[in-house]
Amino acid sequence: QKEVEQNSGPLSVPEGAIASLNCTYSDRVSQSFFWYRQYSGKSPELIMSIYSNGDKEDGRFTAQLNKASQYVSLLIRDSQPSDSATYLCAVYTDYKLSFGAGTTVTVRA
Amino acid sequence: DAGVIQSPRHEVTEMGQEVTLRCKPISGHDYLFWYRQTMMRGLELLIYFNNNVPIDDSGMPEDRFSAKMPNASFSTLKIQPSEPRDSAVYFCASSPRGAGLMQGQFFGPGTRLTVL
Repeated sequence: QKEVEQNSGPLSVPEGAIASLNCTYSDRVSQSFFWYRQYSGKSPELIMSIYSNGDKEDGRFTAQLNKASQYVSLLIRDSQPSDSATYLCAVYTDYKLSFGAGTTVTVRA
Repeated sequence: DAGVIQSPRHEVTEMGQEVTLRCKPISGHDYLFWYRQTMMRGLELLIYFNNNVPIDDSGMPEDRFSAKMPNASFSTLKIQPSEPRDSAVYFCASSPRGAGLMQGQFFGPGTRLTVL
């Protein structure tokens, strides 16, 4: 079983809609959770971090964490064409950051 | 503020040649990470340093790979000899002092390596 799993893409959403990305992790002692955005040919860019159960909002992005279910999600509200990218879920456990394979999001105008 | 700096940005070499990738972390960051990204395997951690000391190199694929951090502002990843299966994008990342890994990592632009 992979340490970090993300819902397989690609995910296509119309402009203005909500994009929902999911991530599950295998290690219950994981402490910190991150979402990175990676445009094609570019490096990963940290967009959200979350440490406690519940929701964390930053602009159009909302991260949700449920440690009991070992589940992290990212919602992108009012999706824009500039949100088209691959989103990587990352989990910090035992001094290491493990990444999921990523979900590619395409926002169609 | 300058971000993580990597050089070269692109490297094309022939099988059997030595390849050296370079990284300058963000000033004040005391963790440095080397990653490799391929379509097949995604983003993989190769090795990381804390205060210039290698902490975990369990991700280094084999003895052909080595990494050093002689000071707080410079690190190298060396592949000798290189093989076609080493073709990938290699990222360097750094993380802030103190909170370290808890605050996430900041990535450089990457080096795209092609081994013919």
